Amino acid sequence: TQLLEQSPQFLSIQEGENLTVYCNSSSVFSSLQWYRQEPGEGPVLLVTVVTGGEVKKLKRLTFQFGDARKDSSLHITAAQPGDTGLYLCAGTYSGSARQLTFGSGTQLTVLP
Amino acid sequence: DTAVSQTPKYLVTQMGNDKSIKCEQNLGHDTMYWYKQDSKKFLKIMFSYNNKELIINETVPNRFSPKSPDKAHLNLHINSLELGDSAVYFCASSQNGVEETQYFGPGTRLLVL
Repeated sequence: TQLLEQSPQFLSIQEGENLTVYCNSSSVFSSLQWYRQEPGEGPVLLVTVVTGGEVKKLKRLTFQFGDARKDSSLHITAAQPGDTGLYLCAGTYSGSARQLTFGSGTQLTVLP
Repeated sequence: DTAVSQTPKYLVTQMGNDKSIKCEQNLGHDTMYWYKQDSKKFLKIMFSYNNKELIINETVPNRFSPKSPDKAHLNLHINSLELGDSAVYFCASSQNGVEETQYFGPGTRLLVL
């Protein structure tokens, strides 16, 4: 079973601060996705990265895929209360029978 | 229109009962999934179906059985419910393979007493 570790598990910051969330695996990803889940709802896809070293930006969110495709980070600039939610990374691995493995999640709270 | 819908949203039942959760997607996707999210928010794949064919079946007890009457529906039937089955169950769909965007339903909160 592939393990995807996310850190930190919980993060509480003030509005306007910057933050970074990490996703790490001991195995190489074929592709990696980041989702955000709000209370009472299902996860919603934010981005998919597939190439080592790839950087994608989505407004104030910057996603980076590690060169070796074993890790990824999500950086949020000037966080807002609307960014509050559970951030999940999810990866697919070569030869893993088309399975999406989710990380343990980072619960982000942005205080006004 | 909701892309992926699930019913019921809440389900409270006694141990030993049999229950079903329904899922429908109107996106025309070929693959549908069931996930279980535990109390620590860990999300784990249970099943996926592609064109009515089961393509993934994790180490899930055989009390759980997915049923797909057509491409747009993937229902989850659970026999002899146990306390440990309490969780949030999410249905999802994607156009083709798992590496494509998965669209999740709102979840069914199951509580077994």
